[in-house]
Amino acid sequence: KQEVTQIPAALSVPEGENLVLNCSFTDSAIYNLQWFRQDPGKGLTSLLLIQSSQREQTSGRLNASLDKSSGRSTLYIAASQPGDSATYLCAVDGNTGKLIFGQGTTLQVKP
Amino acid sequence: EPEVTQTPSHQVTQMGQEVILRCVPISNHLYFYWYRQILGQKVEFLVSFYNNEISEKSEIFDDQFSVERPDGSNFTLKIRSTKLEDSAMYFCASSEAGQQETQYFGPGTRLLVL
Repeated sequence: KQEVTQIPAALSVPEGENLVLNCSFTDSAIYNLQWFRQDPGKGLTSLLLIQSSQREQTSGRLNASLDKSSGRSTLYIAASQPGDSATYLCAVDGNTGKLIFGQGTTLQVKP
Repeated sequence: EPEVTQTPSHQVTQMGQEVILRCVPISNHLYFYWYRQILGQKVEFLVSFYNNEISEKSEIFDDQFSVERPDGSNFTLKIRSTKLEDSAMYFCASSEAGQQETQYFGPGTRLLVL
């Protein structure tokens, strides 16, 4: 059974820092991995999707990498801003479109 | 930019009552999903729907739950007889194709069962 884990559970950094969020999954047989942002009490906003054949994807200040064989993904946020404060979720798709989520990393960026 | 919409944003109901949660997926999308998130817990998959039938469902999606696409735009989740433990945020999502495609999520419906 696929399990997704995110470390750390919470992170607080000063504005301007570069940071890395980690996601690990137990079954490497995935089709893709998606990173989402969730603001308190709100829905999920898709940030990046990495196909299983890809190693990384970039969007603006965000860069996500995938090492399928070791069951790991990282989300790198460059030059963090207070507006980046949110919970970041990773989710894997095994084959059917069913996403299995981690518990998230709650990020606070202090001005 | 097209987005998934959900109504209502909040719903309070009494235990044992039926509720219908509504979603309007992005118009050219073909795959539809429901997820839920109990407060403080992970987002959990409930069901996926394609071509007017259920593609996959989780063990949570028992006989109390049903989904329907009553017309060309709406996608609904019905809970027949709500329980206290059904209290959660329910998210609808859609994707243009199935796996390997980005899923776009709606803002959610917060359901509170008293």
